[in-house]
Amino acid sequence: GAGVSQSPRYKVAKRGQDVALRCDPISGHVSLFWYQQALGQGPEFLTYFQNEAQLDKSGLPSDRFFAERPEGSVSTLKIQRTQQEDSAVYLCASSLSLADLQETQYFGPGTRLLVL
Amino acid sequence: GENVEQHPSTLSVQEGDSAVIKCTYSDSASNYFPWYKQELGKRPQLIIDIRSNVGEKKDQRIAVTLNKTAKHFSLHITETQPEDSAVYFCAAIRTSGSRLTFGEGTQLTVNP
Repeated sequence: GAGVSQSPRYKVAKRGQDVALRCDPISGHVSLFWYQQALGQGPEFLTYFQNEAQLDKSGLPSDRFFAERPEGSVSTLKIQRTQQEDSAVYLCASSLSLADLQETQYFGPGTRLLVL
Repeated sequence: GENVEQHPSTLSVQEGDSAVIKCTYSDSASNYFPWYKQELGKRPQLIIDIRSNVGEKKDQRIAVTLNKTAKHFSLHITETQPEDSAVYFCAAIRTSGSRLTFGEGTQLTVNP
């Protein structure tokens, strides 16, 4: 079946612009995660949804970052007033299980954001 | 919170040799340890994982070992091939936690 998809794949924004990044998880997957991957580093956790509920947003770097998953499927990560330090690859991952948080996380291809 | 350290940061081997990547973790409550392979510009892909009730797991040329007492786990790739060249990430997660904590990655280069 189809894997996790993300759009756009690439986004160039001017500093101060707002951006919205979309994630389509694997159908039926309950859990959805957003990670930020800086160049040459491992992914770092941003936020986690279980269905439509945002259970952990402790990784969001500032109040300019906002994520939602209103119907428990597609998720959007929004960054307001982008700064150069926001430039990174934003990865979305989904996993099947509600009860077992050890379930494998499947990653999307990422959105590469460049803020000029 | 959890901290995962990964070594080496770069590894170059000749085709056919073995490669070993090591990770340590800090949170004794972590009990699931996946390894991801990421090719340039591509998504991280799970290649093998191990749970804390198992000491070793093997899948063809890839194996992972876990030492819970010492809080370290390792990835072993035998008979390396040029297509194994990529960045490899280890990660750890707690039963009660939601996030994967990743190591900083190892750039593996397999020279033909």
